[in-house]
This record gives sequence, C-alpha cells and structure tokens, in this order.
Amino acid sequence: GDSVTQMEGPVTLSEEAFLTINCTYTATGYPSLFWYVQYPGEGLQLLLKATKADDKGSNKGFEATYRKETTSFHLEKGSVQVSDSAVYFCALSPGNFNKFYFGSGTKLNVKP
Amino acid sequence: GAVVSQHPSWVICKSGTSVKIECRSLDFQATTMFWYRQFPKQSLMLMATSNEGSKATYEQGVEKDKFLINHASLTLSTLTVTSAHPEDSSFYICSATSMEGRMPQHFGDGTRLSIL
Repeated sequence: GDSVTQMEGPVTLSEEAFLTINCTYTATGYPSLFWYVQYPGEGLQLLLKATKADDKGSNKGFEATYRKETTSFHLEKGSVQVSDSAVYFCALSPGNFNKFYFGSGTKLNVKP
Repeated sequence: GAVVSQHPSWVICKSGTSVKIECRSLDFQATTMFWYRQFPKQSLMLMATSNEGSKATYEQGVEKDKFLINHASLTLSTLTVTSAHPEDSSFYICSATSMEGRMPQHFGDGTRLSIL
C-alpha cells in the first residue's frame, strides 16, 4: 500500500545552517507529494507541494523536488531561522487528493 | 486562501462525558471532510472520511459508536467522542476538501482533548 517514510528527528541546527529532511515514498500510480509544517499547539499548514515528477515545490525558502526515479521528496532550505523550528510532515495523496498518508514527522530545532 | 475553523481549540472534561468538536469550512463548500487523531510526537492517523449528506467511512480499528461523525452541510462536520475516557485524550484535527477532491486538503488548527 501507499506509505511515506521520513527521517527521524529531532534535527538540531544552528541558525543559518543548511537543512535537509529526507522523505521517500511508496505508491501505486502517480501521487501528489506535500510537505506540511506544524507549529506547537497548532494544526498543519501546507508548506509546499508537487503534483508530478520533476516538479519543484517551493515556499518561504524551502524547496523539494519530486523525484520519481528515487521515489523521494526531500525538503531543503539553504539558511534556517529560529522561527523555522517546528515539526515537518511529508505526505502523499493518490491522484484525487482524497486520502493522505503522512510520514511520522521530523522535529526541527533551530538554535540562535 | 481557504480556511478551515475548528472549535473548541482545547477542552478538558470528566471521564464519561461526551464531547463535540466542530469543523467548519469558512470560504468554500467542503464536499469531503476528514478527521485525524494525533498522539504526542506521532504522525496524524486518519480516523474517518465524511462526505456531505452521507455516512462517514471509518478507517480500520476506529470505533464507529465511539467517534460519531456528522456532515450535515457543506460547511460543517462534527466529531462527537462519546463516553470519553482518559485514553481518548489526544489532539484531533479536521481537514476539508472540495471540488470532488481536486484541491488539497486544508487543515484546521486542531482540538486538544484532555479527559480527566
């Protein structure tokens, strides 16, 4: 069945460091891929998405490229800020967005 | 952009009571709403999918009689946790989509339920 695997956290970085959070997926067909961010005590916010192979999603300095050949959708940011501290979830949805499969989440701590 | 509002954001109640959580889509018609449960430091687990005007579809292992879901209108779905017990304490999140699923889900801010 469809599933998402992402790297375990927590990930602790200093401000302005480079961030990579790995995400790989298993799916039949051609899913859409997403990164969501969850700040403490809040719900999920869509960070970025990609709907087909080789698409690059980007937002607020974060980006991720849909790699069908490696079934990956790694999240990257060139220079993190303290305000980026949150839990990041990788997710996939089969073609019609009706069902989401989430990874286990990766907590990011950015220290000043 | 689209907004999904969830109420209440936090509720504390005694064991044995029933708790109702509302999920509203504020600026679009949500043909489908989803209810998730999130345990501390874990991912979201889909509990059920509800389509407006029809019965909810529950995921395997979710008790239908325990978690009552109603989706009576295109802007409102409710989750009622019946006879709640401490093990039901969790973070419950709803999401909504529209256009027969042709838009990504938008999530509410979640409801933290604490059963004493």
